[in-house]
Amino acid sequence: DAKTTQPTSMDCAEGRAANLPCNHSTISGNEYVYWYRQIHSQGPQYIIHGLKNNETNEMASLIITEDRKSSTLILPHATLRDTAVYYCIVRTYSGAGSYQLTFGKGTKLSVIP
Amino acid sequence: NAGVTQTPKFRILKIGQSMTLQCTQDMNHNYMYWYRQDPGMGLKLIYYSVGAGITDKGEVPNGYNVSRSTTEDFPLRLELAAPSQTSVYFCASIKQGVVGTDTQYFGPGTRLTVL
Repeated sequence: DAKTTQPTSMDCAEGRAANLPCNHSTISGNEYVYWYRQIHSQGPQYIIHGLKNNETNEMASLIITEDRKSSTLILPHATLRDTAVYYCIVRTYSGAGSYQLTFGKGTKLSVIP
Repeated sequence: NAGVTQTPKFRILKIGQSMTLQCTQDMNHNYMYWYRQDPGMGLKLIYYSVGAGITDKGEVPNGYNVSRSTTEDFPLRLELAAPSQTSVYFCASIKQGVVGTDTQYFGPGTRLTVL
């Protein structure tokens, strides 16, 4: 799986959009970008994923650059409950057992009142 | 559905003791995983299973054993606990499908301390 690079930490004012960047310059054509978050030592929670096109769901939007070397997770109106560690993960399918997720250290997002 | 449940939530072991961490899912998922997370770090895969009777090693399997006799249950066994196994353990599961549609569901974790 391709390596990802994320900032260690970010702050965001409550009610504002939180934009979390991720670099994955070695991504290959069949690799998906996944985002998970982990709130205060709870189990990680799936947020969103994408391949080439931008994606949006009820939690967030995912913007992937045209060359797919980077992406941005957008939380449109951050709340205090969005304070968490956010993980950007690039995954490829490689056979049985391939649904493994390789978690880096992620970005610690702090939403400030 | 309860999702993925784990017991116990907390446990303190003495060096050399053994224990089993329980994991159960009620979503009929065929893939199940055990991860550990050390303080300030990401999750590392210990073992995984693609179905009942089938298990395989992940990145950090030493000191652990697993079994998968049913679809629902995937217990993790520590035989001789060591301080290096102090960590938070997460169980996860997915329904096998096309990549890009498979999201992992995680349990709440078991916090283990070995003294």
